[in-house]
Amino acid sequence: QVQLVQSGAEVKKPGASVTVSCKASGYTFSGYYMHWLRQAPGQGLEWMGWINPTSGGTKNAQKFQGRVTMTRDTSINTAYMEVTRLTSDDTAVYYCARWVTGSSVDYMDVWGKGTTVTVSS
Amino acid sequence: DIQMIQFPSSLSASVGDRVTITCRSTLSISTYLNWYQHIPGQAPNLLIYGASSLQGGVPSRFSGSGSGTDFTLTISSLQPEDFATYYCQQSYSIPWTFGQGTKVEIK
Repeated sequence: QVQLVQSGAEVKKPGASVTVSCKASGYTFSGYYMHWLRQAPGQGLEWMGWINPTSGGTKNAQKFQGRVTMTRDTSINTAYMEVTRLTSDDTAVYYCARWVTGSSVDYMDVWGKGTTVTVSS
Repeated sequence: DIQMIQFPSSLSASVGDRVTITCRSTLSISTYLNWYQHIPGQAPNLLIYGASSLQGGVPSRFSGSGSGTDFTLTISSLQPEDFATYYCQQSYSIPWTFGQGTKVEIK
């Protein structure tokens, strides 16, 4: 079945970087853009950006530009998101999600279970 | 950025109740509105896309309506497995944005 399996929880110090992975299975990886989102404790969901697995092209939310890098490895059907210069505000659960786009619709139909990133000194 | 205003932020209901959640956007988004169910520790689950289309595998007690700026998610008869947090999300323009969520709790 279609699924996205994310890497395990991370604990990082302020100023460090973290990379979260998202391995896709059950579908053609290159056929769907991958989105990244996060949810800080007690907060709602926040969209971070997407990556085109075919071209490697990306689009980030403005607040993350310069600090978030999205990449992929098509040989192993895996997308990655790196966040640099971590602060406590980056403590959150990070999700990857598959994007479906069509005639007048755009939605994320399959999500990973999330990766908890804790930033603490 | 388009803001999504969702209400109520929480509600208490009993099994069998009809539940309605409202979402309002600060700009017209046509029908680029999706609804997700989120249970802590699990992956968010797509319920409704395009404002009113039921995602495959989602029970028919879930329905969505609306267009432009006002949208609703209705659960016709609440079941025990429906106690969760529900989010609306606009996919009309980048950055995609979500409502703050509605937590549905057991009365």
